[in-house]
Amino acid sequence: SQQGEEDPQALSIQEGENATMNCSYKTSINNLQWYRQNSGRGLVHLILIRSNEREKHSGRLRVTLDTSKKSSSLLITASRAADTASYFCATAPAQGAQKLVFGQGTRLTINP
Amino acid sequence: SQTIHQWPATLVQPVGSPLSLECTVEGTSNPNLYWYRQAAGRGLQLLFYSVGIGQISSEVPQNLSASRPQDRQFILSSKKLLLSDSGFYLCAWSPFYSTEAFFGQGTRLTVV
Repeated sequence: SQQGEEDPQALSIQEGENATMNCSYKTSINNLQWYRQNSGRGLVHLILIRSNEREKHSGRLRVTLDTSKKSSSLLITASRAADTASYFCATAPAQGAQKLVFGQGTRLTINP
Repeated sequence: SQTIHQWPATLVQPVGSPLSLECTVEGTSNPNLYWYRQAAGRGLQLLFYSVGIGQISSEVPQNLSASRPQDRQFILSSKKLLLSDSGFYLCAWSPFYSTEAFFGQGTRLTVV
């Protein structure tokens, strides 16, 4: 079953602009993660935010988590053409299984 | 350092034929192992995950099965492929204490 739902499904912006993607989920989580996928390739882990954290930074990435709203956002600042990819959020359940459930993803296109 | 190997990269199989996709991880012990399937332009569907040898959890009832004969080997199988089994199959691992996942490069399976 799909836990996370990303919004928007597709996003096209100009190079240098900021890109914001949102993720909503349904059940209690241990952590939420963001991954990137270049076309036809495997996924690459970007950042993990734990359920007791509200914000996290990594380079040009900023992730927020609002557990009361069951939502997260990924901000990519000063976008580059190389950021063109699909971005997925994934959630790990609060209890029990060591598994990761992914959303449908946001297709990000950075125009030069 | 840890590496994950998944093969083959592409596969074309006739309907009704068997399937065996193999995934191995190097450089770590007792990893969590995962099989995902991704339909074109869609998110990842968790098929199976394993926290130890012989321990397989199935997420979706289907035509597929998984086995973990060795600590760092995860195999996805089918006795008779269906057209609907076509897709992009991704193997991933995470440390036993985490859900931060590292993905293989995927196998694109086309059932004809």
